[in-house]
Amino acid sequence: QKEVEQNSGPLSVPEGAIASLNCTYSDRVSQSFFWYRQYSGKSPELIMSIYSNGDKEDGRFTAQLNKASQYVSLLIRDSQPSDSATYLCAVSDSNYQLIWGAGTKLIIKP
Amino acid sequence: SQTIHQWPATLVQPVGSPLSLECTVEGTSNPNLYWYRQAAGRGLQLLFYSVGIGQISSEVPQNLSASRPQDRQFILSSKKLLLSDSGFYLCAWSASLGFFYGYTFGSGTRLTVV
Repeated sequence: QKEVEQNSGPLSVPEGAIASLNCTYSDRVSQSFFWYRQYSGKSPELIMSIYSNGDKEDGRFTAQLNKASQYVSLLIRDSQPSDSATYLCAVSDSNYQLIWGAGTKLIIKP
Repeated sequence: SQTIHQWPATLVQPVGSPLSLECTVEGTSNPNLYWYRQAAGRGLQLLFYSVGIGQISSEVPQNLSASRPQDRQFILSSKKLLLSDSGFYLCAWSASLGFFYGYTFGSGTRLTVV
């Protein structure tokens, strides 16, 4: 069975520090990888996508992908209280359907 | 640009009552459409997905059903709600052609069955 695993947290990070969120997946044929942010009571919002090995940066966010290790991560630099949310990792299968992790709850402490 | 509309935002329904949640997408043709449910503090559970009009795939056996009467309309229904149907219902779409950019979600419906 195809799986995506995340640490459920909560992960507590001081304001201004780097938050590091991790995700592993089981399906070696996966080609597309996504990070979604979900605030409490709201719907998930796409914040990062990555398709090839290496790093992809967008503002304070950096996604990292290592297909050999089946590992994808999200780094948030200069963490702000507004970054407090649940972060969902999603990985596509061969039919471009997303397999979801259960999410990591991130808390940024002022 | 593409937008997805989902309504109502909140709903309180008695056990045994019917349900109809609607989702529409604008600005794209032949989208793939999805219904998810999220119980409180839990992950996303895929309920149904559709790759075209009248084409519905069910992922979880239950008392819910889905229909796609038009290309960009997706409806989630139940004839008789159960307490266990309470949750946050999310509609999402993705492009069926071209590059895969992931899913875009609607704003969700919070359903409480009492």
